Amino acid sequence: DTGVSQDPRHKITKRGQNVTFRCDPISEHNRLYWYRQTLGQGPEFLTYFQNEAQLEKSRLLSDRFSAERPKGSFSTLEIQRTEQGDSAMYLCASSPGPRDSGNTIYFGEGSWLTVV
Amino acid sequence: QQPVQSPQAVILREGEDAVINCSSSKALYSVHWYRQKHGEAPVFLMILLKGGEQKGHDKISASFNEKKQQSSLYLTASQLSYSGTYFCGTERPGTYKYIFGTGTRLKVLA
Repeated sequence: DTGVSQDPRHKITKRGQNVTFRCDPISEHNRLYWYRQTLGQGPEFLTYFQNEAQLEKSRLLSDRFSAERPKGSFSTLEIQRTEQGDSAMYLCASSPGPRDSGNTIYFGEGSWLTVV
Repeated sequence: QQPVQSPQAVILREGEDAVINCSSSKALYSVHWYRQKHGEAPVFLMILLKGGEQKGHDKISASFNEKKQQSSLYLTASQLSYSGTYFCGTERPGTYKYIFGTGTRLKVLA
């Protein structure tokens, strides 16, 4: 396994611009999560995919945020009309199966977003 | 609501022990523990699946009391490498949400 990879690792953008992050989960992991984390806080759940289906979406995910996982493999998280409050690390994680069966969630290195 | 961890922060000398608690207002069916170093992603430490289960991993172990809806992480003879922020994680029953506790910052001094 090559691990969960995220791209880009760092992004600086001007307020009002759109940004897109990509996540490649560990192969054959059908479960994929997105989180947002700001300094000093724990990861906040954003959304969950099982294969290509988006089964859970946090209220934190405003209309400016959208996530996709078109073929059940990689996923993208897009933020439209970025605001300074969107500055954070965006974490992607994947898991091979049900959490309660003992399957671990593996995190990517994160994508840092700075909105100026 | 996210699980609440205590203490919020702790400073240790190398070789000292620490306990980190994770309490939930809702039922816990499983608990994961993670450590996150500054600027890095959380790293999985261990999972506890059953009430009362205790697991050990080198000098780090954990227990899970399902009735009390809480879990504890035990760090024995701490090392400098133990420094970081520790999070418990759990699935919200009836949802697909996997959420993290409030976090405990631990610093081990030489």
